[in-house]
Amino acid sequence: GIQVEQSPPDLILQEGANSTLRCNFSDSVNNLQWFHQNPWGQLINLFYIPSGTKQNGRLSATTVATERYSLLYISSSQTTDSGVYFCAPDKGPYSGAGSYQLTFGKGTKLSVIP
Amino acid sequence: GAVVSQHPSWVICKSGTSVKIECRSLDFQATTMFWYRQFPKQSLMLMATSNEGSKATYEQGVEKDKFLINHASLTLSTLTVTSAHPEDSSFYICSALDGIQTYEQYFGPGTRLTVT
Repeated sequence: GIQVEQSPPDLILQEGANSTLRCNFSDSVNNLQWFHQNPWGQLINLFYIPSGTKQNGRLSATTVATERYSLLYISSSQTTDSGVYFCAPDKGPYSGAGSYQLTFGKGTKLSVIP
Repeated sequence: GAVVSQHPSWVICKSGTSVKIECRSLDFQATTMFWYRQFPKQSLMLMATSNEGSKATYEQGVEKDKFLINHASLTLSTLTVTSAHPEDSSFYICSALDGIQTYEQYFGPGTRLTVT
């Protein structure tokens, strides 16, 4: 299966600071999703990004599929950004292991302090 | 849009009893649903994949007779933990794949199971 590595594992930011989270994956992928897991455990979809760059407010993501990595940028961080950020690629419908199964990294735990 | 509900949000049961967890896609048809387990401060571990009307596919090491999955419709999947033991205590999360429009997976809020 795909190996997924996320860095850094932990990150503490002062409110207002910017950050970059990285996700490396070991194989070609069909798609990649970024999620934010809030303190109550809910995973919130951030980006569906198999390649290229997308932006949504203060967040943006870039996936370079040929080099097998994706980046999540958080600008002007807020305390509500705290939580764990996961990236999860999938190998699509023909992986043999099940359609569109996501493989999760271990996550980056972000703490934004006032 | 793309809301997945999960019920109950938390449950406490006695050792030896069974617990059923429901996962519903509220505003889209889910071609595939997935069940995950998450231990404290760890990542999500896929337990099984289910498609409507067919048997679930379980990941290696997951006991299919203990974790019964039923996917009766395109909007409902259930996970039943049978003869629960304290080691089954965990956070169980379902997800639903929109395999028609967006191809994204959307996650339920999770169910925290405590077995005493």
